[in-house]
Amino acid sequence: ILNVEQSPQSLHVQEGDSTNFTCSFPSSNFYALHWYRWETAKSPEALFVMTLNGDEKKKGRISATLNTKEGYSYLYIKGSQPEDSATYLCAFCHTGNQFYFGTGTSLTVIP
Amino acid sequence: EAQVTQNPRYLITVTGKKLTVTCSQNMNHEYMSWYRQDPGLGLRQIYYSMNVEVTDKGDVPEGYKVSRKEKRNFPLILESPSPNQTSLYFCASSGQGVYNEQFFGPGTRLTVL
Repeated sequence: ILNVEQSPQSLHVQEGDSTNFTCSFPSSNFYALHWYRWETAKSPEALFVMTLNGDEKKKGRISATLNTKEGYSYLYIKGSQPEDSATYLCAFCHTGNQFYFGTGTSLTVIP
Repeated sequence: EAQVTQNPRYLITVTGKKLTVTCSQNMNHEYMSWYRQDPGLGLRQIYYSMNVEVTDKGDVPEGYKVSRKEKRNFPLILESPSPNQTSLYFCASSGQGVYNEQFFGPGTRLTVL
């Protein structure tokens, strides 16, 4: 069983604050790293798929970086808004076919 | 509309009564997968399929079966459900395996008494 760790487990920030989360994964046999956003009572939705060491992806106020050599990825949210409140999941892709998810970071943005 | 559908959305059953959860996608995706979500644990992969007639075990396959006879459908079969299979189940699909984002179905909440 591969260990994918996300930190912090939960986070409360004020509207307008910027924040970031970490996803740690094994640095061997890396194929891809996915980030998903999961709102309560909905299904996970993809944010980013990252495949190369040094990848940086951006979608609006959300961005992500990837370091495959040391086994971590950061997700950044700039100027958090209440609608950003959700659980953010990362998934490590191993051997090209299997996914291993972290337990997520639960973000609450306080208006 | 591009989507992944699952049925049923909610199911309460009893130990040992065979059941099937259906999953269908209309995006012509090769890769399909089943996950279960339990409190305090991340999504855990049960089975995945790279294409028609190609399936393989994920992290937690015990007690489950799958089949992939058509590209669009990937049913999950519990031949003899047990209470420890009470969980929230998600089906997902993607275009080219792990290099493309996964699209998730709405989830099936299963309770086994």
